[in-house]
Amino acid sequence: AQTVTQSQPEMSVQEAETVTLSCTYDTSESDYYLFWYKQPPSRQMILVIRQEAYKQQNATENRFSVNFQKAAKSFSLKISDSQLGDAAMYFCAYRSKYGNKLVFGAGTILRVKS
Amino acid sequence: NAGVTQTPKFQVLKTGQSMTLQCAQDMNHNSMYWYRQDPGMGLRLIYYSASEGTTDKGEVPNGYNVSRLNKREFSLRLESAAPSQTSVYFCASSVSQNTEAFFGQGTRLTVV
Repeated sequence: AQTVTQSQPEMSVQEAETVTLSCTYDTSESDYYLFWYKQPPSRQMILVIRQEAYKQQNATENRFSVNFQKAAKSFSLKISDSQLGDAAMYFCAYRSKYGNKLVFGAGTILRVKS
Repeated sequence: NAGVTQTPKFQVLKTGQSMTLQCAQDMNHNSMYWYRQDPGMGLRLIYYSASEGTTDKGEVPNGYNVSRLNKREFSLRLESAAPSQTSVYFCASSVSQNTEAFFGQGTRLTVV
């Protein structure tokens, strides 16, 4: 069974600086998808970024980018120019290409200091 | 553009009571899911429905039942609530099995 590990329960970053959230996963599959979701205090789950395992190029979405290391089974999220609105719980998630479920990590709380 | 709508948003139950959480999506998605979120454990899949007319157990199905009423609606039922079912419940949907999921706003359920 696949597992997702987020080793940082909590992180802090100064406004306008850069922070990286870590995620590792365990799978024997070669084709899959990885996601980062943001959960602000409103509780809404918001998709931040998505990566297909067959793509070598790292996904980017504005200030958000990932460092996808397939061999190391690592999928970190970098947030540049951090803003107060980035403060939230961030979840890393895995989905098999042919699977029916998202497997989530335990989450990382990100605090942004002004 | 409602997306995924869950009702209710908050609920308090007494041990042994039953209730149904409702979920509807207006995106014409085939797959729907129920997750629960507990502190330090991320989200765990309770049940899912890959397409209309089918349902399957996820990681933590005990104590729950589901109904895929039609393509839009997927309900979660607690027949006899227990304090261990105190959690935040999320409904989600996706176009197919291997695309990203869109989530409802969650239901905070407390069983006393």
